[in-house]
Amino acid sequence: KAGVTQTPRYLIKTRGQQVTLSCSPISGHRSVSWYQQTPGQGLQFLFEYFSETQRNKGNFPGRFSGRQFSNSRSEMNVSTLELGDSALYLCASSFLAGGPQETQYFGPGTRLLVL
Amino acid sequence: KNEVEQSPQNLTAQEGEFITINCSYSVGISALHWLQQHPGGGIVSLFMLSSGKKKHGRLIATINIQEKHSSLHITASHPRDSAVYICAALPNAGGTSYGKLTFGQGTILTVHP
Repeated sequence: KAGVTQTPRYLIKTRGQQVTLSCSPISGHRSVSWYQQTPGQGLQFLFEYFSETQRNKGNFPGRFSGRQFSNSRSEMNVSTLELGDSALYLCASSFLAGGPQETQYFGPGTRLLVL
Repeated sequence: KNEVEQSPQNLTAQEGEFITINCSYSVGISALHWLQQHPGGGIVSLFMLSSGKKKHGRLIATINIQEKHSSLHITASHPRDSAVYICAALPNAGGTSYGKLTFGQGTILTVHP
């Protein structure tokens, strides 16, 4: 089975622009979670989707949004980019409901640089 | 104070040494994950624990729910074990904490030959 894939892998944007990142989970996985990793804050939870529904959201401003499609692929969008949004954005998928008994499989991440 | 604390933050070892990384958390959890991150960013899930102990090859993870503490042990360490090790807690929120992991700050492990 192919692993979790994320596109693009690297991205450079300028302040004020918006960006869309894509995540394709492992085939058959229905839950997709997104995380942001920065040197200062470490890894932080953004949101989680299951069957096209957002079930959980972390403490991020409304500029961060996401969605999930019927094939479980997910996108996240950041509008009005700020310098502090420069980070590695990781998605992870799991098979069922994303409950505590499930391992999360991480993608390679998208490294976003905001200038 | 962070909800999930790891120690040490940096760890240097010689090949063959036994290594322990500790993780303490302050919230009730339903599961605790141990993750490995290599340079370049890719994260691999090593263990997911809700009680007791798990072993995979040279890696052993334990958790004490009452003491809110978990440890990751590496026996006979090897330079290829050099990576960042991160523990992450899944809060016990009545079964609604989907994906909502709280992460430790990571332990940078370097194993010299």
